[in-house]
Amino acid sequence: EVQLVESGGGLVQPGGSLRLSCAASEFTFSNYWMSWVRQAPGKGLEWVANIKQDGSEKYYVDSVKGRFTISRDNAKNSLYLQMNSLRAEDTAVYYCGRDRIMDVWGKGTTVTVSS
Amino acid sequence: QSVLTQPPSVSAAPGQKVTISCSGSSSNIGNNYVSWYQQLPGTAPKLLIYDNNKRPSGIPDRFSGSKSGTSATLGITGLQTGDEADYYCLTWDSSLSARVFGGGTKLTVL
Repeated sequence: EVQLVESGGGLVQPGGSLRLSCAASEFTFSNYWMSWVRQAPGKGLEWVANIKQDGSEKYYVDSVKGRFTISRDNAKNSLYLQMNSLRAEDTAVYYCGRDRIMDVWGKGTTVTVSS
Repeated sequence: QSVLTQPPSVSAAPGQKVTISCSGSSSNIGNNYVSWYQQLPGTAPKLLIYDNNKRPSGIPDRFSGSKSGTSATLGITGLQTGDEADYYCLTWDSSLSARVFGGGTKLTVL
C-alpha cells in the first residue's frame, strides 16, 4: 500500500527546534515532488514547503522562510522538515504529501510550541 | 487571509446538489491547475479532484470540478450525510512562488 508516515512532532519551547520526518513506502519516492502542509488547531490547511525530485528546487510559504528547511534523502525514501526559531503560531498538525496533485497524505504529526 | 476565497459554509439536504466556489486571480487559478480536497473531522485531507476536473480512481462521479477564468467550482450531487466535511481548493500562485489553499468550506448536510 502506498503510504506516508510522519514522525518527530512534540512539545517544544518558543525559539526551539524540531526535525520532522516523513517515510515513504510502496512508490518510487524519487519520482515525485513532495510537500509539507500544516493545520493549526481549529484552522484551515496551510501549505508550508515543497521540494523537487532531486532537491534542486525548494519553495516556502513566507511565514517560514529563513526558519524552516525542507530536504529529502531519496536513498532512504524520506522527506524532512527542519524547523528552527519556532513560534507559538507554528503549533499545528504537520502533514507530508505527495506532490504535484497531493494524492497521498500521511496521518500527520503534532507540533506544539509552548513554554 | 488566503489569496483564494471560499465561502465559509454551505448546506443542503440529503440527495440535493451543492457547489463550492474558489475565487482567485490570474497569478493563481487563472494560470494554474486547481485541485480539491475533502477533510473529515480528525482525519487527513483526501484528494477529490485534480487538474481542474479529473477524478482519481475511487472517487465517485457525484464529485465534479470545473474552472472558468480565475474561479473554480466543486460540485457534489446526491448529497449524503457522509459528505459532511471541510472542503479545500489548492493551486500554485506564480507571483508568490508558493502553493496556496483556499480558506476552506464546511459542508453541512441537513
